[in-house]
Amino acid sequence: GIQVEQSPPDLILQEGANSTLRCNFSDSVNNLQWFHQNPWGQLINLFYIPSGTKQNGRLSATTVATERYSLLYISSSQTTDSGVYFCAAYGGSNYKLTFGKGTLLTVNP
Amino acid sequence: NAGVTQTPKFQVLKTGQSMTLQCAQDMNHEYMSWYRQDPGMGLRLIHYSVGAGITDQGEVPNGYNVSRSTTEDFPLRLLSAAPSQTSVYFCASSYGLAGGEYNEQFFGPGTRLTVL
Repeated sequence: GIQVEQSPPDLILQEGANSTLRCNFSDSVNNLQWFHQNPWGQLINLFYIPSGTKQNGRLSATTVATERYSLLYISSSQTTDSGVYFCAAYGGSNYKLTFGKGTLLTVNP
Repeated sequence: NAGVTQTPKFQVLKTGQSMTLQCAQDMNHEYMSWYRQDPGMGLRLIHYSVGAGITDQGEVPNGYNVSRSTTEDFPLRLLSAAPSQTSVYFCASSYGLAGGEYNEQFFGPGTRLTVL
């Protein structure tokens, strides 16, 4: 099945800094999503982005399907951005959404 | 819409006990799935269903059973709980997985299970 790798595994920022999280996947995808898991454990949908670029406030994402990677940009980070960011991808016909191991983001005041 | 709901939120079991984790969605989604989340492992797929009456195994199916008698409900049964099943369990749903905006997956709030 498809492999999903995320980098970096950990990231510490000061409030107000910008960051880029990367997701590499091993095969062509039909579905690629970014999630934020907040400190209470909830998985929040950020983007559904199998290709192209999307923006939502301070967050934006770009997926370059032909090169098999996706980037999540966080600008002017806030302490509430802390948590784990997951990338998940599905490709092929086995109905399995595969998750990366996540990036743990800590934003300090 | 309530979205994806899960009960209970927390559960403690003794080794060998059985229980059922409940999952329901009110979005008329065909695809439903169960994941477990363990530290450092991300989320791993346990079982999934592409519609009522159709289920299949994911990556880590051993020790778990599922059935899908209605579109709305997808319960996960632990047959004989083991300490290795201590985890956080998430249920998810979408219209499908073939591609397209309507195939975005949505997750429930999770069930934190401890097996002693």
